[in-house]
Amino acid sequence: AQSVAQPEDQVNVAEGNPLTVKCTYSVSGNPYLFWYVQYPNRGLQFLLKYITGDNLVKGSYGFEAEFNKSQTSFHLKKPSALVSDSALYFCAVRDGTYNTDKLIFGTGTRLQVFP
Amino acid sequence: SQTIHQWPATLVQPVGSPLSLECTVEGTSNPNLYWYRQAAGRGLQLLFYSVGIGQISSEVPQNLSASRPQDRQFILSSKKLLLSDSGFYLCAWSLRGGGTEQFFGPGTRLTVL
Repeated sequence: AQSVAQPEDQVNVAEGNPLTVKCTYSVSGNPYLFWYVQYPNRGLQFLLKYITGDNLVKGSYGFEAEFNKSQTSFHLKKPSALVSDSALYFCAVRDGTYNTDKLIFGTGTRLQVFP
Repeated sequence: SQTIHQWPATLVQPVGSPLSLECTVEGTSNPNLYWYRQAAGRGLQLLFYSVGIGQISSEVPQNLSASRPQDRQFILSSKKLLLSDSGFYLCAWSLRGGGTEQFFGPGTRLTVL
């Protein structure tokens, strides 16, 4: 069965420092991986995805993610955190059913960036 | 460009009352449509998805139902709300085919008293 795990409930980082939000996955076949961000009382916003190609994927707001097949990981990164990056981050993997594109979401990681 | 709308934004309903939440998508055709519930600001639970008009798949048994009367309209309903139906309801859409991301609406905050 497809699954995705976000091992950290919360990540704290100082403004200006690099940040990493971790995600590991378990899928049969090639993984389709996604990152989303959610601000309070808002819907999820798509940040980036990995389907195939370069292992380093660049997305919105300066975020990037590194696909690592051997470690089955897809960690979200940003070189220099901003206070405005504080939000809830979700990793997701495609379920694999062709016509539906259902996504399986992780439990979310709350990122807190301190000034 | 594509946009997704949900209404109402917030709703307070008594236990036992009916529910109707609406979601519409603009700027695309034949989308896949999804209803999620998010409890306590964390995990997302997929409730229903639809690949076409009148085609609804339920992910979990519950007090809710969904309908898709038009290509870009998705409705979440209940005949009698329970306290446990409280939560943040999110609608999403995606293009048909593999590997496409889902785009989410702004959500509806439902409180059942």
